Amino acid sequence: IAGITQAPTSQILAAGRRMTLRCTQDMRHNAMYWYRQDLGLGLRLIHYSNTAGTTGKGEVPDGYSVSRANTDDFPLTLASAVPSQTSVYFCASSDQGARTDTQYFGPGTRLTVL
Amino acid sequence: GDSVTQMEGPVTLSEEAFLTINCTYTATGYPSLFWYVQYPGEGLQLLLKATKADDKGSNKGFEATYRKETTSFHLEKGSVQVSDSAVYFCALSDGGTGNQFYFGTGTSLTVIP
Repeated sequence: IAGITQAPTSQILAAGRRMTLRCTQDMRHNAMYWYRQDLGLGLRLIHYSNTAGTTGKGEVPDGYSVSRANTDDFPLTLASAVPSQTSVYFCASSDQGARTDTQYFGPGTRLTVL
Repeated sequence: GDSVTQMEGPVTLSEEAFLTINCTYTATGYPSLFWYVQYPGEGLQLLLKATKADDKGSNKGFEATYRKETTSFHLEKGSVQVSDSAVYFCALSDGGTGNQFYFGTGTSLTVIP
């Protein structure tokens, strides 16, 4: 069982370019999440999806968009990258998105915007 | 709003020393509390969790007790090993919009032989 896979592992991107980070889970979880991790700030939620076909904004959504066409995939798109989006991005999933559910994390994508 | 405050690091301990990493939280309602561990270059892995007051989560020799009266969820281990070197994150889940997890800033632990 792979759990959650993310691609690419790392990327260097010129400012202004469009970029999609991919996330796939094989646990048939209903809920999925995107976080960014920055030194000294912990992890902050960008967008979430409680079930296929629905998405919502988290704490820091500006400059990012997501879609959830099916249960397994939850891509994150940066329409026009800026240097402040340099970060490590983690995708996560949980069974039902309930308060007691554990969130399972992917290995992360390290993104550098120059 | 909800938040988690955890002890700042870095923390350096000798092997077999006792570990405490403090975590306090602010939340409306009755959150679930979690400790995650992140090894270098990897994603976060669940270490333990507690979903109601007075519950004790435990795993791999680590434990933490959900204390509603002090809004705390301190992580402890009686005898650390070199392999415990990692970054530890305290988090809460309140089941609100998106069931967002609120994370602390992380505490880096280095255990030296």
